[in-house]
Amino acid sequence: GAVVSQHPSRVICKSGTSVKIECRSLDFQATTMFWYRQFPKQSLMLMATSNEGSKATYEQGVEKDKFLINHASLTLSTLTVTSAHPEDSSFYICSARGLAGADETQYFGPGTRLLVL
Amino acid sequence: GENVEQHPSTLSVQEGDSAVIKCTYSDSASNYFPWYKQELGKGPQLIIDIRSNVGEKKDQRIAVTLNKTAKHFSLHITETQPEDSAVYFCAANAGGTSYGKLTFGQGTILTVHP
Repeated sequence: GAVVSQHPSRVICKSGTSVKIECRSLDFQATTMFWYRQFPKQSLMLMATSNEGSKATYEQGVEKDKFLINHASLTLSTLTVTSAHPEDSSFYICSARGLAGADETQYFGPGTRLLVL
Repeated sequence: GENVEQHPSTLSVQEGDSAVIKCTYSDSASNYFPWYKQELGKGPQLIIDIRSNVGEKKDQRIAVTLNKTAKHFSLHITETQPEDSAVYFCAANAGGTSYGKLTFGQGTILTVHP
């Protein structure tokens, strides 16, 4: 149980284009999804918290117009990197937290490797 | 906000030995402490977690201990195997208005030599 998927797993795009990454909870309903960014050999950096049906909450320093987050249902959240530039190249990982009471367990997706040329 | 420090940054052991990774946290309101294992190119996988109402939790070869007074918690892996080689992250939740958010440690690269 508690499986989270991400699509695509890898994407290469040209500078200036937009890229959408999907995060799905496959066998549970997720009230909250989190988006992280991870640079090589570094820890996970939280970008934003996404609650179903409401606007995402962004961490300090993360541009909300650059990284658009939509959490349209209890099983799907999307991250769109708009007008991508080479410095946006990174490993993007989502996690999902379930409905069950005070369960704070976060289950992570497999990640999406973005390369902007 | 919460700050989590993790040590060591790298750990090399022989197969069959034990491995211990330690973390400290700063927010006394934190009450949930998960550990994740991340293999190269993959997302983190939850391996064990502990809540502040217990001091120790075991799952086969893996155990986690928590000292709330000292604000530190540790991961113990016994009888290590080469497949335990990965990056391990500790994390702590943030209480209050940041409920549910996790702050991660810097990670420990564990290498188990056959």
